[in-house]
Parts: sequence; structure tokens; C-alpha cells
Amino acid sequence: DAGVTQSPTHLIKTRGQHVTLRCSPISGHKSVSWYQQVLGQGPQFIFQYYEKEERGRGNFPDRFSARQFPNYSSELNVNALLLGDSALYLCASSPGLAGVLETQYFGPGTRLLVL
Amino acid sequence: DAKTTQPPSMDCAEGRAANLPCNHSTISGNEYVYWYRQIHSQGPQYIIHGLKNNETNEMASLIITEDRKSSTLILPHATLRDTAVYYCIVRVVTSGSRLTFGEGTQLTVNP
Repeated sequence: DAGVTQSPTHLIKTRGQHVTLRCSPISGHKSVSWYQQVLGQGPQFIFQYYEKEERGRGNFPDRFSARQFPNYSSELNVNALLLGDSALYLCASSPGLAGVLETQYFGPGTRLLVL
Repeated sequence: DAKTTQPPSMDCAEGRAANLPCNHSTISGNEYVYWYRQIHSQGPQYIIHGLKNNETNEMASLIITEDRKSSTLILPHATLRDTAVYYCIVRVVTSGSRLTFGEGTQLTVNP
């Protein structure tokens, strides 16, 4: 079975531009979460979506937004890109709301470079 | 979620046991201890979790002290492929999917 997939794998943008990152969860998984990982640091939680509704949000500005589609895939959008947005963006999926007894499975990430 | 403290780096000889410590002295009764690892340029991978009892699976063992203020992840026979950053995370039952990662421990397994 395919794991969590993300596209694109790499992306280069310039300051002020907009970017859309995509994630397809494991088949049957209804929850998708997004994380940002800056070089040398651990991943930081951005959003969780479950059944197309936002169920959690980390401490990120409103430039960051996301949505989940009926097939449970998800998009992360970042507007007005800053140099500090350069990071590895990770998507994780789980069957339900990812309570303690559920395992989250991470994709390989999208590496974004903002110039 | 409770804060965790891990050593920034550790070395281990191939074939030997790797013991990775984690301090979580402010852990609450409803918080679980999770371990994930991240091999270079890949997404994090779940390893194991526990509440208060010791746990073992095909990847590792988790030893939690009786007072729950610290824990140790044990890789019984480390291989070169176990070289990764290991994250200890304390997670409350109601936190949804949110995982609060620290900086982790860079484990290097040497031949």
C-alpha cells in the first residue's frame, strides 16, 4: 500500500509569492496534519484537518491556510512568502482524530526554498 | 504538553544496544510518552509509546521510571540504518494530532 505522498518534492519561490503544497493520505485515513521543519529544528505543528474541518492550529500567521478535500487529500497554502518560510513541510495522516492510540504516518515532505 | 529534555547527540557501536534517555519531569498523569525518529531527509517515523508500563515492539523497548519523570528508548542491536534524530514527545490524550517536537538526539551508529 502507498504511504503518505506529497508534491512537489522540491520548490523554489521568491519573496512575496504564493505557494501550494499537496498531500495525499494513506488510503482510509481521514485526518491530515501539516508540520513545518526549519533546518536544525524539530517539526512544528501547523494544522490538523479531519473530515474537511480544521481541528487544530499551531502558532502560525494567517498567511498559512489549508483545506481538505472530499477524498481526504489536503493542500497547504502560504501567501506572501518570506525568507523564513524556507523549510521542509511535512504532512502526516492518521485514521481518525489521531488520539493517543493512533499512529501518525509522515510523508517525505516538500522542501521549499524562498529566495 | 510537558517539556522534554534529551542529549543533543550520542554514539553507539553497531550491534550494541543504544540507550536514549529522555527527561520529562513535569509530565502529568494523562500524558503519554512517544518516540519518533527521523532519518536524514525523510519524514519522522513512529517507534513506540507508553503511559507507565514498559513497552516493547519489533523496533524498540521503552522503559519508563516508576515516577514517570524520565524514560529510556532501547534499540537492542543497533545497525547503521538506525542513525537518525530521535525525538521524545510527551502527549496528552486530548491533544488531537498535535505532536510537539523538541530538538531530539542525533544518534550515530558507528561500524
